[in-house]
Amino acid sequence: DGGITQSPKYLFRKEGQNVTLSCEQNLNHDAMYWYRQDPGQGLRLIYYSQIVNDFQKGDIAEGYSVSREKKESFPLTVTSAQKNPTAFYLCASTNLAGTGELFFGEGSRLTVL
Amino acid sequence: QQQVKQSPQSLIVQKGGIPIINCAYENTAFDYFPWYQQFPGKGPALLIAIRPDVSEKKEGRFTISFNKSAKQFSLHIMDSQPGDSATYFCAASGMDSSYKLIFGSGTRLLVRP
Repeated sequence: DGGITQSPKYLFRKEGQNVTLSCEQNLNHDAMYWYRQDPGQGLRLIYYSQIVNDFQKGDIAEGYSVSREKKESFPLTVTSAQKNPTAFYLCASTNLAGTGELFFGEGSRLTVL
Repeated sequence: QQQVKQSPQSLIVQKGGIPIINCAYENTAFDYFPWYQQFPGKGPALLIAIRPDVSEKKEGRFTISFNKSAKQFSLHIMDSQPGDSATYFCAASGMDSSYKLIFGSGTRLLVRP
């Protein structure tokens, strides 16, 4: 089945620790995105990548880092510099030659203890 | 200018009712306006989308109305069912090639049996 796989689904972290969230897609999509979702605030863009080895900051990139070494993979690292990391993180992808529809994974919920 | 404002925050209707969710935007460069549906613990999924060259689009029980001059668009759900209970997000993206979406804050819909 084609789709986007995010892991882990739930993650607990102590303050001061970096954590990496995985996002893999087998849709052969060019572009990948990371969004953060907080209650009552919708989805906010963290980083996005349109091509391998290139990525751009979104609206709330501070305290996060990404890499795009393979077309299928776009991991997100939540660093200790992120002041309020507890949130639901969503990865998405799309075909840049398509309609603009973003396909989302099922999300990773990060809780900082 | 990048914001998309969504209302109401929550909505309760009886089965068979017609909930209406409204969104407004400022950026006239936006040219793609999707609505996403999200169930608890899941990623959002595209419901229906519209481009500014039409004023209305209908897919099954879901209709988008688009008013370009007012910079507003809305989602109507005909003959709503308890299974439609979910959070709905409007979004917009611009004419660049990145397809990055700006999301509204979401509307939590409850359809009572």
